[in-house]
Amino acid sequence: DGGITQSPKYLFRKEGQNVTLSCEQNLNHDAMYWYRQDPGQGLRLIYYSQIVNDFQKGDIAEGYSVSREKKESFPLTVTSAQKNPTAFYLCASSTGTKNYNEQFFGPGTRLTVL
Amino acid sequence: AQSVTQPDIHITVSEGASLELRCNYSYGATPYLFWYVQSPGQGLQLLLKYFSGDTLVQGIKGFEAEFKRSQSSFNLRKPSVHWSDAAEYFCAVGVGTSYGKLTFGQGTILTVHP
Repeated sequence: DGGITQSPKYLFRKEGQNVTLSCEQNLNHDAMYWYRQDPGQGLRLIYYSQIVNDFQKGDIAEGYSVSREKKESFPLTVTSAQKNPTAFYLCASSTGTKNYNEQFFGPGTRLTVL
Repeated sequence: AQSVTQPDIHITVSEGASLELRCNYSYGATPYLFWYVQSPGQGLQLLLKYFSGDTLVQGIKGFEAEFKRSQSSFNLRKPSVHWSDAAEYFCAVGVGTSYGKLTFGQGTILTVHP
């Protein structure tokens, strides 16, 4: 079955540590996205990538980094510069074509900073 | 830039009652419109979408939504709510030139009383 996988489901981090969240898709989608979700704030875009080896900052990119070395993978690193990283992180993908914006979501990773 | 407003943070209905969740958007042209549903701790699932054509769209799980250009609205409806509909609902807007980027509303939490 085609879909998006995120791992791990739960992640705990000590302050000052970098952590990397995994996102893999087998939908053959060109575009991939990372969102952060906090209670009452909806989804906020962190980074997105329209094609391999290219990515752009979203609305809240500070303290985060990404890479897109393969079409199916878009890992997100939460760095120690992110002041409040505890949140639910969602990865999504879409065909990325100009006139088709439907996004498919993974199950999410809950990050807790201890 | 486009924006999305979901005026109701939390709605409570009785099982079997009708439901309407409100969504208003701000954008100069006709956007692409989506409703997603999220169960606690899960990713988002697409309920329905509007790209063009008939302004009344049918989705999964018995939901429908109506696009009203004059009111910049895309309200979600269901004639009879089931207990399993309890979840958080997100309205989202996409712009054709944005290469897949979506702007999400704050979300509406639906509680269903037996």
